[in-house]
Amino acid sequence: GAVVSQHPSWVICKSGTSVKIECRSLDFQATTMFWYRQFPKQSLMLMATSNEGSKATYEQGVEKDKFLINHASLTLSTLTVTSAHPEDSSFYICSAKRQRDYEQYFGPGTRLTVT
Amino acid sequence: AQSVTQPDIHITVSEGASLELRCNYSYGATPYLFWYVQSPGQGLQLLLKYFSGDTLVQGIKGFEAEFKRSQSSFNLRKPSVHWSDAAEYFCAVGALRTGGGNKLTFGTGTQLKVEL
Repeated sequence: GAVVSQHPSWVICKSGTSVKIECRSLDFQATTMFWYRQFPKQSLMLMATSNEGSKATYEQGVEKDKFLINHASLTLSTLTVTSAHPEDSSFYICSAKRQRDYEQYFGPGTRLTVT
Repeated sequence: AQSVTQPDIHITVSEGASLELRCNYSYGATPYLFWYVQSPGQGLQLLLKYFSGDTLVQGIKGFEAEFKRSQSSFNLRKPSVHWSDAAEYFCAVGALRTGGGNKLTFGTGTQLKVEL
């Protein structure tokens, strides 16, 4: 149990366009979901935390207008990269947790390349 | 604020040899500690976790870790490494936040290479 999926697994988009990444908890209800960004050969950096039905909480330095996060249901959170630029190219990983759990369950990640 | 240090960026071991990956953390309260493994282009897989209780924690794939409060460490060990263990290993510390939820802070990772 506790499986998290992400879609797409990789995406290429042109500079200036927007791209949406989905994160789904397949077999549990995720009251909280997290979005991380990972640069090549680097660690994961938390971008934002989203609670179902609430606005996301962004970490310092993360542009909330650029990285739109929606957590509309207990099994789905989306990250939309708006007006993407090549510097937004990265590996984006989501995670999810149950209400009374402390552990986060990670998705397989989405590779975004902006050309 | 919490922080995690993994002093070894790269480690190479021979297959069958023992392994220890170091992790030091900084956190004001009792930490929640995790070790994750990541294969290239993949997400994170949880190896083991420490919340409380026995300071020696057993995980999957034959890994174990020991929480040492006096040294602020949570080192990962495996008595005999297999070639399939080659991957990136991340140590993380978790903290509860006001309003609920939690936040994981990751170390910079240790790249493990296994020589046959």
